[in-house]
Amino acid sequence: DAGVIQSPRHEVTEMGQEVTLRCKPISGHNSLFWYRQTMMRGLELLIYFNNNVPIDDSGMPEDRFSAKMPNASFSTLKIQPSEPRDSAVYFCASSLRERSGNQFFGPGTRLTVL
Amino acid sequence: AQTVTQSQPEMSVQEAETVTLSCTYDTSENNYYLFWYKQPPSRQMILVIRQEAYKQQNATENRFSVNFQKAAKSFSLKISDSQLGDTAMYFCAFLEGGGSNYKLTFGKGTLLTVNP
Repeated sequence: DAGVIQSPRHEVTEMGQEVTLRCKPISGHNSLFWYRQTMMRGLELLIYFNNNVPIDDSGMPEDRFSAKMPNASFSTLKIQPSEPRDSAVYFCASSLRERSGNQFFGPGTRLTVL
Repeated sequence: AQTVTQSQPEMSVQEAETVTLSCTYDTSENNYYLFWYKQPPSRQMILVIRQEAYKQQNATENRFSVNFQKAAKSFSLKISDSQLGDTAMYFCAFLEGGGSNYKLTFGKGTLLTVNP
């Protein structure tokens, strides 16, 4: 398996623009997680899905952020409109739906909002 | 809410020596999981080791081992025979579970530098 795939790896955009980050989880994994990593706040869980259903989105910072998982092999995290403070590395991770919950992380998307 | 504390923002060790990274956590649950993740300069998050709270035996993975003290809510990582490739950010993480909830809470991380 190729592991968790994220695209793009780097994104530079201007304030006010829409940004869409993409994730393909490991085949067979039922849980998918979106994290944001910054120097100031560390790793924060934004939202996670189980069997394509959002279970907890309490970490989503504002209404500007939205996430979807239309099927078991694809998820998106959208920011509209983007702001400079959204600059961070965004990770997607997936795991089997089991209590041990090992999460496998993608390589991350480094987002810079100018 | 669960919290994970890593009190050492940075550490360094000489190649081939042993280093221990500290982690404490706070929870009211009795059954949970603890993890150490490694994030090298490549940015990829890599699972290093996992410990189930109901197991008394400390987990070991090659040069990596943990000292799990449940009563003290402590979960330290020992790296033996340190190698240059161990240079990375290390994150301690706590997993609360049950039902369909699998929320992983991370500490702030410890930056480990292995010196030649």
